[in-house]
Amino acid sequence: GAVVSQHPSRVICKSGTSVKIECRSLDFQATTMFWYRQFPKQSLMLMATSNEGSKATYEQGVEKDKFLINHASLTLSTLTVTSAHPEDSSFYICSARVPGDPLGLFFGEGSRLTVL
Amino acid sequence: SQKIEQNSEALNIQEGKTATLTCNYTNYSPAYLQWYRQDPGRGPVFLLLIRENEKEKRKERLKVTFDTTLKQSLFHITASQPADSATYLCALDLRGGGADGLTFGKGTHLIIQP
Repeated sequence: GAVVSQHPSRVICKSGTSVKIECRSLDFQATTMFWYRQFPKQSLMLMATSNEGSKATYEQGVEKDKFLINHASLTLSTLTVTSAHPEDSSFYICSARVPGDPLGLFFGEGSRLTVL
Repeated sequence: SQKIEQNSEALNIQEGKTATLTCNYTNYSPAYLQWYRQDPGRGPVFLLLIRENEKEKRKERLKVTFDTTLKQSLFHITASQPADSATYLCALDLRGGGADGLTFGKGTHLIIQP
């Protein structure tokens, strides 16, 4: 199946700093990628849809100025958590569909963010 | 409002038996429903997709049923093994666009005991 890779897998930062998470499709080109957040024992919550070459579409309640998404190429989307606070600590997961394939999403391994 | 409900309590099954997980949804008529497996600290892995006009779908030891009248999907693992222990998520494309992100249930934690 298609491979989606995330980096870093774990990051610890101080409150107030910014953290960038990368999501790459390794063996296919993804015009659309999705960013999810998952708190412990909770469901994955869609944060935003990342569109190559255009602005991301954010879900209701997600601050676009806090969670900056850049989809600069067909294989890379980045999520930057700006001025991170402890409540932003979570598991962030990206996913992508293979173009033309109506089947399920392929997910990255996830990135565990801990803000001290 | 639209909701996806899974039994969030852990399900303990003895090795070799069939595990059955339930996904119910309300206020929506999805074109298809998907099941994923998630291991601790990992991203979900796609397992099966079933369309609204399909009653049943199989893949190796996995079977999914989809009852659009009951608004329910059942996910079965036959001849269960300890390696099947994980959290299983059902997901819907609630906006029906096909290009949108999915909405997930909370998942059911399945434990297969040797």
